[in-house]
Amino acid sequence: NAGVTQTPKFQVLKTGQSMTLQCAQDMNHNSMYWYRQDPGMGLRLIYYSASEGTTDKGEVPNGYNVSRLNKREFSLRLESAAPSQTSVYFCASSEGYGNPTGTYGYTFGSGTRLTVV
Amino acid sequence: AQSVTQPDIHITVSEGASLELRCNYSYGATPYLFWYVQSPGQGLQLLLKYFSGDTLVQGIKGFEAEFKRSQSSFNLRKPSVHWSDAAEYFCAVVAMEYGNKLVFGAGTILRVKS
Repeated sequence: NAGVTQTPKFQVLKTGQSMTLQCAQDMNHNSMYWYRQDPGMGLRLIYYSASEGTTDKGEVPNGYNVSRLNKREFSLRLESAAPSQTSVYFCASSEGYGNPTGTYGYTFGSGTRLTVV
Repeated sequence: AQSVTQPDIHITVSEGASLELRCNYSYGATPYLFWYVQSPGQGLQLLLKYFSGDTLVQGIKGFEAEFKRSQSSFNLRKPSVHWSDAAEYFCAVVAMEYGNKLVFGAGTILRVKS
């Protein structure tokens, strides 16, 4: 089925370890996003990519880096994991940037549950 | 800055009863508003959205929401709740300061009792 695929689904890291969360979409969407979800705080935007070749910081970018590898793939990297990064991470995509009928039709992946000990 | 407030962290309703989930936003102009639902262990699914026009919008799964500019609200309603509606519900608004990206409320967890 078409959609957004995230890997891995679960991960446990030790403090200081690094890892990359992978995200791929097969809907030919231009824009992609990384959110983190914490209890009582909803989803907060970490980074986004309005189009292939561009990335920008969101609300909570510290401690993260991203790469828009191609139109399909948008990865999130934790260089030195900290317990405060324990969260559920969601990748999303949308048709376009600034288009009311397209941009806001976000499709979400099923999430990556990350625990940093 | 744009923000979204969902005053109720948890709500419990009986199956078959009506439901209203509250959402308030802070934004001067006409906002773009959304409601998403998240079932346990799943991603988010769009229920409905409001851009302009008719202030009562219909969504999937029998949900509707009403935009009230005077109250800065976009409350979600359903006339008769089903046990399968138990989930977490998020209201969201477009954030101009982040290039038209979605800003989410903290969410409301809906429990349905039989």
